Order: sequence, then C-alpha cells, then structure tokens
Amino acid sequence: QLQLQESGPGLVNPSETLSLTCTVSGGSIHNSPYYWDWLRLSPGKGLEWVGSIYYTGSASYNPSLKSRVTMSVDTSKNQFALRLSSLIAADTAVYYCARGFYGYADFWGQGSQVTVSS
Amino acid sequence: QSALTQPASVSGSPGQSITISCTGTSSDIGAFDFVSWYQHHPGKAPKLLIYDVSKSPSGTSNRFSGSKSGITASLTISGLQADDEGDYYCSSYTRTNTWVFGGGTVLTVL
Repeated sequence: QLQLQESGPGLVNPSETLSLTCTVSGGSIHNSPYYWDWLRLSPGKGLEWVGSIYYTGSASYNPSLKSRVTMSVDTSKNQFALRLSSLIAADTAVYYCARGFYGYADFWGQGSQVTVSS
Repeated sequence: QSALTQPASVSGSPGQSITISCTGTSSDIGAFDFVSWYQHHPGKAPKLLIYDVSKSPSGTSNRFSGSKSGITASLTISGLQADDEGDYYCSSYTRTNTWVFGGGTVLTVL
C-alpha cells in the first residue's frame, strides 16, 4: 500500500521560507505515470492545490503562488519537496503531499500543520 | 484562476439523498472529464470519493456518485448516514495544466 509522509517545521516566521519534504513508501516515485502533489487546507480558503511535479522534475504551480513556490524531486530517496518563500499569515494551513493524476489525488499523507507567526 | 462554485452548506435526514453542485467554466469543468470530489473530516486527510467525473476508487461506497453537464458537476449521496457529515470539495483539471478547487460544502445530517 502506497504511503506518504510529510516532514518539516510546524512554526515559521513571516517573510521566511517554508521547506517541506514528502517521503514515499510502498511504491516508487520513479517511472510512474503519476504526478506528486502538494495541497493545503486552511479554515479561510478551504482546499487549495499548490503544485505538482513529475519524477523527471517537470513541475506546474498554482498561478496565485507561482512566484513563491519551488518543487523538487529526489528519486534516489523516493522523496519530493516544497519550498514556499516570503511567507505571510495567510500561508498558515495544513500542508498535504499526495499522489495525483490529471486533477485528482488518490493517496494522501497525514498532513503537516504549518503556522506562520513570529 | 477562479475557484469553482459550490453551495456553502447542504443538509439532509438519514436515508435521504442529497446533491452538491459544482460550477466552473469552459476552461475547467467544461473542458475535460477530469472532475473529482473529496470528503474531509476534521483532523484527517481528505479522501477521494470520485474521479474522472463519475469513477469511484476501490473501497468507496456506491452511495456516492458523480455526474457532469456542461460546466456543472454534481455529487449525489444516497442513503445518507451520520458519518457522511463533513466537508466536501470538488476539483477540476484546467486548460492551463493546473487544478482548481471549489470552496467546499458543509454537509449536515439532521
């Protein structure tokens, strides 16, 4: 059974950069037709797609976040990562990594609460 | 890109059926059959209920069904149960190779 696990800091200062890593187990991130996604859930905005990356490193991002988001993949570790810069309070959310394919995500991590506050 | 439009809340009694609508544009819902629906309970990860408009992942109850007409997709839950209560989100792939979500619908089982 495919499993995903997010890791990263729970508290980040405003204007700093958030770094999250997702470790995939029970399946390979390489040679897959699937994409690897980051999504976030906040009380004010609901569920929001952050971006998707293919194992080759090709990525697409939410236009509203594109200037601040970078995703990367490390196939040797079966991991992919998210960096979100210039954090503001509105970036406070539970961040999920997931496996996706053309607009749906079928396997999700348990989520990582990120709070932006000084 | 604008979010898809869902009703803020719906309610129903146990055993009844309810339908949640999700309206987009010709650039997302109207462009592809790539609409999905998720159920979210507090403290848990969202759960995929429906993908590709009307397909169900294995293990999903057949009480959940999806459909689409033009730029509007719908999720129908039949035989409402108490544990169906929660938040429901629709999503669509778009012409610009991005995803867009609805604002979410709170389902209350009376």
